[in-house]
Amino acid sequence: GAVVSQHPSRVICKSGTSVKIECRSLDFQATTMFWYRQFPKQSLMLMATSNEGSKATYEQGVEKDKFLINHASLTLSTLTVTSAHPEDSSFYICSARDPLGSVYGYTFGSGTRLTVV
Amino acid sequence: DAKTTQPPSMDCAEGRAANLPCNHSTISGNEYVYWYRQIHSQGPQYIIHGLKNNETNEMASLIITEDRKSSTLILPHATLRDTAVYYCIVFGGSQGNLIFGKGTKLSVKP
Repeated sequence: GAVVSQHPSRVICKSGTSVKIECRSLDFQATTMFWYRQFPKQSLMLMATSNEGSKATYEQGVEKDKFLINHASLTLSTLTVTSAHPEDSSFYICSARDPLGSVYGYTFGSGTRLTVV
Repeated sequence: DAKTTQPPSMDCAEGRAANLPCNHSTISGNEYVYWYRQIHSQGPQYIIHGLKNNETNEMASLIITEDRKSSTLILPHATLRDTAVYYCIVFGGSQGNLIFGKGTKLSVKP
């Protein structure tokens, strides 16, 4: 089945620095990928939709200048958290759907635990 | 907002069947019912999906009522590894994103 690889799985960074998270579709091409954020004991909240070759679409309340998304190829989307602050500490998860696959919904990456100190 | 309602938590004895209900009274005719689960600190994992008919795969069974306003996910022989948060999601299946509700936290106990 479709596999989505997400790296790194964990990252600790200092306040004010930037962190890049990669999301790769390993055996399919994804024109669209999705980025979610999950705070402790809460559900997944969609942050943005990443579109290959065009600008990402951000959900209301998500700062596009802070959470930079690049989807330069059909198999790679990156999320960069710029000038990270402790309140950005969260679990970030990407997902994608194989457009040629059956209606199996979306495949998710394993997530990235970001801790800003 | 999520279009589904699930109980916040359930317990199940190991080896027994776990029956997780979901209400989706506003589901549209072309929307599927998807089930995912999330084990602690991992990404969600696809379990099963259905449109009208009951479905079964190696992981679970999905029972959808005739009026499609509710469904039940059945794990026939729950194990400790099935302890997770289970999400019932209504989705058109062709485009757009998955909207997660709060899900049901299933605890399988020895």
